[in-house]
Amino acid sequence: LAKTTQPISMDSYEGQEVNITCSHNNIATNDYITWYQQFPSQGPRFIIQGYKTKVTNEVASLFIPADRKSSTLSLPRVSLSDTAVYYCLVGDIAGNNRKLIWGLGTSLAVNP
Amino acid sequence: DTGVSQDPRHKITKRGQNVTFRCDPISEHNRLYWYRQTLGQGPEFLTYFQNEAQLEKSRLLSDRFSAERPKGSFSTLEIQRTEQGDSAMYLCASSSGLAGDEQYFGPGTRLTVT
Repeated sequence: LAKTTQPISMDSYEGQEVNITCSHNNIATNDYITWYQQFPSQGPRFIIQGYKTKVTNEVASLFIPADRKSSTLSLPRVSLSDTAVYYCLVGDIAGNNRKLIWGLGTSLAVNP
Repeated sequence: DTGVSQDPRHKITKRGQNVTFRCDPISEHNRLYWYRQTLGQGPEFLTYFQNEAQLEKSRLLSDRFSAERPKGSFSTLEIQRTEQGDSAMYLCASSSGLAGDEQYFGPGTRLTVT
């Protein structure tokens, strides 16, 4: 199972773009990269998922270089409500082994 | 509200007692997961069901923990002879198993063992 490494914490200000990078050097061919957001006392919430290149949805973008050994979650124009913990996960979503390893995540603080 | 519900939301129990938690997933989802999360840590995988079959169980899960998913619908997680180290948030998630396999999490059950 691929292990991920993320910064423990980040600080930003309202209106700025935030980029959180995740390292996954031993990612396997069948692995996808998924990001979740978690607010205190709530369960995690799916943000975005990708396999290669770039994926964009209504809340974020995910950039994955050709070697797939890292990925960057980009949050455009953050607001105070984006203050949360962000988790990067790597795993084979199609396989029967669905045990994903969750790291410590990145605690993002958005300041006014 | 993600559509996944858990009951109870909070449970306080004395060491040595048994507790049971329930998870009701999104009805059309065939995959169901249980996680445990302590303060400052990411969710820790406990077990996973595909319909009623328990396909994966963490080696970290002691014999005091058992989970069931009869008929592939709701699931229960039982902890026998609780210990103070069992105090944590217990999260349930479900997914359709289709493209993306996005997991939808419930609000969790916070267990405090005194």
